[in-house]
Amino acid sequence: EAQVTQNPRYLITVTGKKLTVTCSQNMNHEYMSWYRQDPGLGLRQIYYSMNVEVTDKGDVPEGYKVSRKEKRNFPLILESPSPNQTSLYFCASSLGVGAVSPLHFGNGTRLTVT
Amino acid sequence: KNQVEQSPQSLIILEGKNCTLQCNYTVSPFSNLRWYKQDTGRGPVSLTIMTFSENTKSNGRYTATLDADTKQSSLHITASQLSDSASYICVVSARASGTYKYIFGTGTRLKVLA
Repeated sequence: EAQVTQNPRYLITVTGKKLTVTCSQNMNHEYMSWYRQDPGLGLRQIYYSMNVEVTDKGDVPEGYKVSRKEKRNFPLILESPSPNQTSLYFCASSLGVGAVSPLHFGNGTRLTVT
Repeated sequence: KNQVEQSPQSLIILEGKNCTLQCNYTVSPFSNLRWYKQDTGRGPVSLTIMTFSENTKSNGRYTATLDADTKQSSLHITASQLSDSASYICVVSARASGTYKYIFGTGTRLKVLA
């Protein structure tokens, strides 16, 4: 089944403790991206990747890192999480950032930083 | 500034009734407009994608329209069902600096009552 898989689904951590949220897609998509979703603000892009070893900042990249060493994986790294990073995170992928290529989203990771 | 505004913020209708959700955008240069459905606790799922030259696109009981001149789109849901209860997100894609950027609306939360 074609899908985007995020892990974990839920994560509670403390301020300053490094964490990684994994994202994997099995559709051979070139484009992958990370979003956070907060009440009243909609989805905001954190980072995106057009292909392997090519990453770029989105609208809210501060406090996050990503890497794209393989086509299928795009982990999100929080080196020193803070409470304002408490949010619902989504990973998404698409064939390419083109006219008729829909974004496929994972089911989200709900992160709480205390 | 690129913006996507959706209305209403929330909507309650009775099962079997029709409804229309609105999306206004100020995005340039425009590439395409997408509607997504997001069930509570899940990732958004693509409903339609429309390019500049498309006025209408249907997906089952969902029909999206696009007026590129007035920069407005609507999503019409026919004969609503309980399973239509979800948030509906309008996303506009803009091409900038050799890449594409997605601008998300904050969504319309639809509740269908039996």
